[in-house]
Amino acid sequence: DTAVSQTPKYLVTQMGNDKSIKCEQNLGHDTMYWYKQDSKKFLKIMFSYNNKELIINETVPNRFSPKSPDKAHLNLHINSLELGDSAVYFCASSPSTDTQYFGPGTRLTVL
Amino acid sequence: QKEVEQNSGPLSVPEGAIASLNCTYSDRGSQSFFWYRQYSGKSPELIMFIYSNGDKEDGRFTAQLNKASQYVSLLIRDSQPSDSATYLCAVYGSGTQGGSEKLVFGKGTKLTVNP
Repeated sequence: DTAVSQTPKYLVTQMGNDKSIKCEQNLGHDTMYWYKQDSKKFLKIMFSYNNKELIINETVPNRFSPKSPDKAHLNLHINSLELGDSAVYFCASSPSTDTQYFGPGTRLTVL
Repeated sequence: QKEVEQNSGPLSVPEGAIASLNCTYSDRGSQSFFWYRQYSGKSPELIMFIYSNGDKEDGRFTAQLNKASQYVSLLIRDSQPSDSATYLCAVYGSGTQGGSEKLVFGKGTKLTVNP
């Protein structure tokens, strides 16, 4: 059984479109995260939710909007996609605030 | 100063050798330290965590922490070709340097183990 799952695995879209990435964890963790890994492989946190409440919101354009319908799900919606948004987006979850387990990633390509 | 620094490598070692990966961090209040392994095209996988000064061993992996020097290392004994990956050091920030409590990653060290 997949502990942290993301859909879709690949996403190719045109500039200006709006897209969503979904994440689900079946580990019973309270905290979930979104990370962005750029072409240079640098992994950086974007958002963190604890029990559906936003606790970390890094300097991310407001075109990115996370939504947590319940503590097992954290979705990421991106408006007006730009070329620079192309990256791999990882969802992660943790039972506490430090040990984190990552999903398989969503490779977003903006054309 | 970058928050978490690692040599980007690549680091190349022969099979059976000890691979030594190093990491320094800037937040003196950090309490939790992690090593993740990331194979090409895959997600980061947690392999070690350490909270206290000294060594922590798990199989062929040993994590070493020196909080006074703000230094974390990972030793891989009897390196295997399957250990070839990028190793990410991650430090849980204390939130005392104007930032929030969060996991901060280094840029990773690419390790190649040659058969």
